[in-house]
Amino acid sequence: DTAVSQTPKYLVTQMGNDKSIKCEQNLGHDTMYWYKQDSKKFLKIMFSYNNKELIINETVPNRFSPKSPDKAHLNLHINSLELGDSAVYFCASSQVQGGSGTQYFGPGTRLLVL
Amino acid sequence: GENVEQHPSTLSVQEGDSAVIKCTYSDSASNYFPWYKQELGKRPQLIIDIRSNVGEKKDQRIAVTLNKTAKHFSLHITETQPEDSAVYFCLTGGTSYGKLTFGQGTILTVHP
Repeated sequence: DTAVSQTPKYLVTQMGNDKSIKCEQNLGHDTMYWYKQDSKKFLKIMFSYNNKELIINETVPNRFSPKSPDKAHLNLHINSLELGDSAVYFCASSQVQGGSGTQYFGPGTRLLVL
Repeated sequence: GENVEQHPSTLSVQEGDSAVIKCTYSDSASNYFPWYKQELGKRPQLIIDIRSNVGEKKDQRIAVTLNKTAKHFSLHITETQPEDSAVYFCLTGGTSYGKLTFGQGTILTVHP
């Protein structure tokens, strides 16, 4: 009965590869997010979806492409991985759009690009 | 986007002392001010929040105070315990899209 789940938990890959991270929430929330946390612990929003519709698209390289097949899932596909993409990627969901509701985070996916 | 400054970046206290972390924001439309705690290797989790119609909120040893005029809000932890050691983040946003911004984080270490 995990609220927000992500797979895989760890991802080690070579530069230039393409990889995907999956996220699912069973909280019935309409809004989902992807965050990137770098080695200095900075948490930065990448994307936000509301009911399968892209709402926020921060300054993120277009190598990153989110996809929401339904409102319970938000996946992240990354093309041509670079060393600087190494980070922890968190998926999150909230009941309320924008920043006025509690963010429920997944366990994170630790991506290491070699 | 929103400009958020969180201080201090690191805070070291002795068990039983109090700890205060402050966030200053720029968007006067922000109306929701949560604090998240992230333990080592874990996900961020909400520990307390306040809305703009309230000046202070307390939950056992933690409290959040809000000064909307000065645009800052603070997390207060009293009688700190080693298990309070973590990274703490503020978040500002409100109802506008594209203005979700976390503070830079504060690494709190509580020494037994």
